Amino acid sequence: EPEVTQTPSHQVTQMGQEVILRCVPISNHLYFYWYRQILGQKVEFLVSFYNNEISEKSEIFDDQFSVERPDGSNFTLKIRSTKLEDSAMYFCASSEGGNYGYTFGSGTRLTVV
Amino acid sequence: QQQVKQSPQSLIVQKGGISIINCAYENTAFDYFPWYQQFPGKGPALLIAIRPDVSEKKEGRFTISFNKSAKQFSLHIMDSQPGDSATYFCAASKRGGGSNYKLTFGKGTLLTVNP
Repeated sequence: EPEVTQTPSHQVTQMGQEVILRCVPISNHLYFYWYRQILGQKVEFLVSFYNNEISEKSEIFDDQFSVERPDGSNFTLKIRSTKLEDSAMYFCASSEGGNYGYTFGSGTRLTVV
Repeated sequence: QQQVKQSPQSLIVQKGGISIINCAYENTAFDYFPWYQQFPGKGPALLIAIRPDVSEKKEGRFTISFNKSAKQFSLHIMDSQPGDSATYFCAASKRGGGSNYKLTFGKGTLLTVNP
C-alpha cells in the first residue's frame, strides 16, 4: 500500500534554530498538507499546497513557517526560528484530490529545547 | 463554528463490548466526516468515513451513524477487541479552493479494550 514518508522521525533543535521537516507524498497525489499535534491534544491543520502554491493556511502558520516542493517528490516544512511552543508532532498528508486517498505520514516529533 | 466536539475523552470497554464515540459539529458547510485511528507514535489512519446524504455506514465491526438535523455523528465499534485500543479522532472537512480539503479534528478519544 502506498505510504507518505516523513523524515526525520525525531528532531531535537535549540530555540531560535531553523528546522526543515521533510515529506515524500504518494507519487500520484496532487494535494499536500501539513498538520501538527501538540502532545495529548488534537491534530491541527497548518497548511495545504497545490500546484506549487499555498491553497489555505491556518492562524498557526505565521511568517516563521514556509512550505516548498523543491522537486517532483519532496514536500518540506521550514520553521525559521523555532520556539519552545513549536514542540509537537508534525504530520504530512497527501491526497489525489478532494478527500480521495487522504493519507497521513507517521510524523516527525520536533522537540525544541 | 469550525469546531468539532468529541466525547468522551477516554473510554474503557471489555472485550466483546460495544464502544461508542460521539461527535458534534456546527458548520453546515462540512460535507465529509471521517474517523481516524491513531496508535502511539503513528500518524492518523482513516478508519471509515461518511457523507451527509446517508444516515449510516458500516464496514465490518465499525459503523458510523449520522444525524444531519442534530449535526451529530458517532462511531460504533462492535465486538471490541484489545487490538482496537488506540486514540480515535472524528473529523470534518469542507472543500476549500480547488479540491483542497482541510480536515478539522475533534480532540480524540483514548479507547482501552480490556481482555
